[in-house]
Amino acid sequence: NAGVTQTPKFRILKIGQSMTLQCTQDMNHNYMYWYRQDPGMGLKLIYYSVGAGITDKGEVPNGYNVSRSTTEDFPLRLELAAPSQTSVYFCASSTTGIPFYNEQFFGPGTRLTVL
Amino acid sequence: KNQVEQSPQSLIILEGKNCTLQCNYTVSPFSNLRWYKQDTGRGPVSLTIMTFSENTKSNGRYTATLDADTKQSSLHITASQLSDSASYICVVSANDMRFGAGTRLTVKP
Repeated sequence: NAGVTQTPKFRILKIGQSMTLQCTQDMNHNYMYWYRQDPGMGLKLIYYSVGAGITDKGEVPNGYNVSRSTTEDFPLRLELAAPSQTSVYFCASSTTGIPFYNEQFFGPGTRLTVL
Repeated sequence: KNQVEQSPQSLIILEGKNCTLQCNYTVSPFSNLRWYKQDTGRGPVSLTIMTFSENTKSNGRYTATLDADTKQSSLHITASQLSDSASYICVVSANDMRFGAGTRLTVKP
């Protein structure tokens, strides 16, 4: 199993551009999550999904959108990139049960810089 | 104010030495507490999990303790190795997951 994979690994955007961060998991996990990690700060939840077709906001959703059309994929969309969105983005997944209780498996991250 | 505070922010030790990392939290209600290891450029990986009723949990050279009364946890690393160089993140689960900022550990030869 590849686990959780994310693409791209690195990206530089100009202010106002848009992009989609891809996340795929092959563990048949129902729950998937998007986090951002800023220097010196703990990971912050952006959005999460408890199954295909179901998404919900986390702590810092502004400026982002998500969709979940399949169990495997959970893309994160940035519509109008801003310098404040410069961060490292992690996708994670976990098995069915209580959200945020079971172990989360993380992808390798996408480092995004907005200039 | 972050509900999960870790100390120290960074730590340098010599290979073979022991160290202890601290985590204080104010998250309530409390479901479980995990310690994750995050290597540079990688995603976090779970080391241990403890529920409210557990005091100690070991995973090889890693031993986590939990005092739910004082809302404190520690991660003790025994006989450190160069591969232990990483960030160690304390994560408290309640209605969501609250992440500490991590302790950056460097093990030098």
